Amino acid sequence: AQKITQTQPGMFVQEKEAVTLDCTYDTSDQSYGLFWYKQPSSGEMIFLIYQGSYDEQNATEGRYSLNFQKARKSANLVISASQLGDSAMYFCAMRAFNAGNMLTFGGGTRLMVKP
Amino acid sequence: DAGITQSPRHKVTETGTPVTLRCHQTENHRYMYWYRQDPGHGLRLIHYSYGVKDTDKGEVSDGYSVSRSKTEDFLLTLESATSSQTSVYFCAISVGSDVGNTDTQYFGPGTRLTVL
Repeated sequence: AQKITQTQPGMFVQEKEAVTLDCTYDTSDQSYGLFWYKQPSSGEMIFLIYQGSYDEQNATEGRYSLNFQKARKSANLVISASQLGDSAMYFCAMRAFNAGNMLTFGGGTRLMVKP
Repeated sequence: DAGITQSPRHKVTETGTPVTLRCHQTENHRYMYWYRQDPGHGLRLIHYSYGVKDTDKGEVSDGYSVSRSKTEDFLLTLESATSSQTSVYFCAISVGSDVGNTDTQYFGPGTRLTVL
């Protein structure tokens, strides 16, 4: 079984600063995928970034990067140059390739960007 | 925009009544999913489908059934709604190769269901 842990229920960051959202995972699978989603107050789930377990390079998408440390089983999201629009819930998720590609989610981190 | 719609977007119903939520996609993706989201939790998988008439249970499937008679539609049914099923329900599709390392799930806008 897969498990995702996000230990930061809420975080503040100053506008224009960088912030790291923590995610640790547990799985016995060798092949898996890790995802981050953003959920603004409007409620939709927005895909941000993906990291495969065999990817040697950390994933980057614009201001988002994923700090993947396989031995530590962590997949932290780094947001550079925070903007007010980054205020939202952020969810880390893992995909199990052997079970219909289903996603297992962490409990989320609420990020608040201060002007 | 991954071409996913959900209906209804909001519903209030009473305990014991049947409820059906619909998820519709426009791009013929094979995999579709139903999740629920509750306060303090991320999303939890209810059921998923890997093709027409091919479905399987997820983590929290008790009290729910699904059907997929066409590629584009995935229905979630609460046979007899209970207050514990008050939640936000998200449909998702898996985009990419059918079983691939770069599959990504994209979500519909969600349905807010309240069971009184």
